[in-house]
Amino acid sequence: GQNIDQPTEMTATEGAIVQINCTYQTSGFNGLFWYQQHAGEAPTFLSYNVLDGLEEKGRFSSFLSRSKGYSYLLLKELQMKDSASYLCAFPSGSARQLTFGSGTQLTVLP
Amino acid sequence: EAQVTQNPRYLITVTGKKLTVTCSQNMNHEYMSWYRQDPGLGLRQIYYSMNVEVTDKGDVPEGYKVSRKEKRNFPLILESPSPNQTSLYFCASSFGFGVAGDNEQFFGPGTRLTVL
Repeated sequence: GQNIDQPTEMTATEGAIVQINCTYQTSGFNGLFWYQQHAGEAPTFLSYNVLDGLEEKGRFSSFLSRSKGYSYLLLKELQMKDSASYLCAFPSGSARQLTFGSGTQLTVLP
Repeated sequence: EAQVTQNPRYLITVTGKKLTVTCSQNMNHEYMSWYRQDPGLGLRQIYYSMNVEVTDKGDVPEGYKVSRKEKRNFPLILESPSPNQTSLYFCASSFGFGVAGDNEQFFGPGTRLTVL
């Protein structure tokens, strides 16, 4: 079957580094997405990994290990505005659908 | 401005009264999709469309209909809404899908629907 698992909540301090993990099971792998969603708003795209390794985009980096069915989102120099839900997702259904995890609610404290 | 728009943004209705939520994108995207978001369940895909006149069921299609007569529009229709369809609905679009390039999905602002 297909499944995604992420922690429900995380808390971190402003200026710190936080790692949000995502494990997945899928019969056919077509990459993994990370989206950010602030409360009451639409999700916005952060990253897409299809090959193993780390991809860096400013303060945000995303890592993928296909053999382990594992990804993480790394947020550096945390800011208050980073308080949001972080969703990992993968293409499913012959890559025509997108299956989302339940999201990790990150709270950044001053 | 490149965007996905949805209307209405908020709607309170009663059981059985047919309603349509409109979705429009101005980015010439081929792929469009509808999701519902419920606490603890995350985003779940209702229907998707890979191009004009091509639609398919997602994971939770029961009680919903869609149509794709034009590339830019993808309305969601609830023929006979029930209270279990109370949810936050998002429309999304992308140029590609799967491992194709430009496959990031752009989401509309959401429609909060309450069915009494």
